[in-house]
Amino acid sequence: DAGVTQSPTHLIKTRGQQVTLRCSPKSGHDTVSWYQQALGQGPQFIFQYYEEEERQRGNFPDRFSGHQYPNYSSELNVNALLLGDSALYLCASSLVGGDYGYTFGSGTRLTVV
Amino acid sequence: QQPVQSPQAVILREGEDAVINCSSSKALYSVHWYRQKHGEAPVFLMILLKGGEQKGHEKISASFNEKKQQSSLYLTASQLSYSGTYFCGTEGGDYKLSFGAGTTVTVRA
Repeated sequence: DAGVTQSPTHLIKTRGQQVTLRCSPKSGHDTVSWYQQALGQGPQFIFQYYEEEERQRGNFPDRFSGHQYPNYSSELNVNALLLGDSALYLCASSLVGGDYGYTFGSGTRLTVV
Repeated sequence: QQPVQSPQAVILREGEDAVINCSSSKALYSVHWYRQKHGEAPVFLMILLKGGEQKGHEKISASFNEKKQQSSLYLTASQLSYSGTYFCGTEGGDYKLSFGAGTTVTVRA
């Protein structure tokens, strides 16, 4: 049973560029949440998608946007990249409500130069 | 708002016990606990729900004081495999799971 799959694993982008990160949730899960984790810090909530809609959003600017497809997979898009966007981006999937916990992917390491 | 974890770090010898605390300033629906090893994804340990129901699959226990908006994770008879950074996540019924800064646990032989 595959867990959460994220792609790519590593990415290097230049300031001002745009990036798209992808996530396939664990089989049976219908909800996807995205997190940004800086080195030595806890994951910071970006947003959550359920039924192809953004259900909740954290304190991130509009440069961060997302999408969820009918097969529950999801994308995170970041426009006008800043050096401060360099971080590990984690995708987590869950059943609606999250009462059985989240399953995290291994993340995408984004470096902005 | 992010929960506050304490201590920031703890060093144990195999077989010793430790407690990690997590507190929130908002009313909570659930508290999650995860462990992250260096370079790996966070792994779900346990969830504690408002009303006292606990769901998990690890031999690690936890408590949830709803009135005080606090939770504690108990590492009993620690093993080398318990090393890692432990995060609590709190959710107030708004689908926003917020994580603390983490507690780094080092277990030595």
